[in-house]
Amino acid sequence: QSALTQPASVSESPGQAIAISCTGTSSDIGGYNYVYWYQHHPGKAPKLIIYEVTNRPSGVPDRFSGSKSGNTASLTISGLQAEDEADYYCSSYTSSDTWVFGGGTKLTVL
Amino acid sequence: QVQLVQSGAEVRKPGASVQVSCKASGYIFTDYYIHWVRQAPGQGLEWMAWINPNSGGTSYAQKFKGRVTLTRATSIRTGYLQLNGLRSDDTAVYFCVTMGARQFDNWGQGTVVTVSS
Repeated sequence: QSALTQPASVSESPGQAIAISCTGTSSDIGGYNYVYWYQHHPGKAPKLIIYEVTNRPSGVPDRFSGSKSGNTASLTISGLQAEDEADYYCSSYTSSDTWVFGGGTKLTVL
Repeated sequence: QVQLVQSGAEVRKPGASVQVSCKASGYIFTDYYIHWVRQAPGQGLEWMAWINPNSGGTSYAQKFKGRVTLTRATSIRTGYLQLNGLRSDDTAVYFCVTMGARQFDNWGQGTVVTVSS
């Protein structure tokens, strides 16, 4: 099972919006609505920000949203804030009854 | 509150084995799978395996099959990861996680495993 494909890095200015893509196959993202997104600040445990493609856990701002089209999922962050600067990872359930993460995307808020 | 508390840092020589424990509290232990995820220095998150604490059933990433074994002791609400045949590229922080269960997502504090001769 290969890692899901994410851009290594993205950057945008405060107040703007950005989308991070996560591309897999029909055996993972395309086959199931079990795409999860995590925000990871170095030295801390990853934080769940989106579950099952589009759902936000309690306490996650509505600036964070998720979507999926075919084999690609996307995380959109609107109204960027300095504290959004972090690494972001997607993950998906797979047809092998396993899970797989993306390679991670480093978000820089300029 | 939900907590996953992992065992402390380990240092091993190449070829050795290591066992990391993960003690759960604050929820019904058998209700949620425990996954293991690792992060090597400068690298991303890597999913390794899960165990169903209720049945003991497991699933492993292809990369780790034959080298990783997950077990659990339900009486003490603890899951275990054993990794054999350690190599230098197994040096990483290992996390136990209740992931993939909608918003019931909880991470242990991480256990640093260092493999060095």
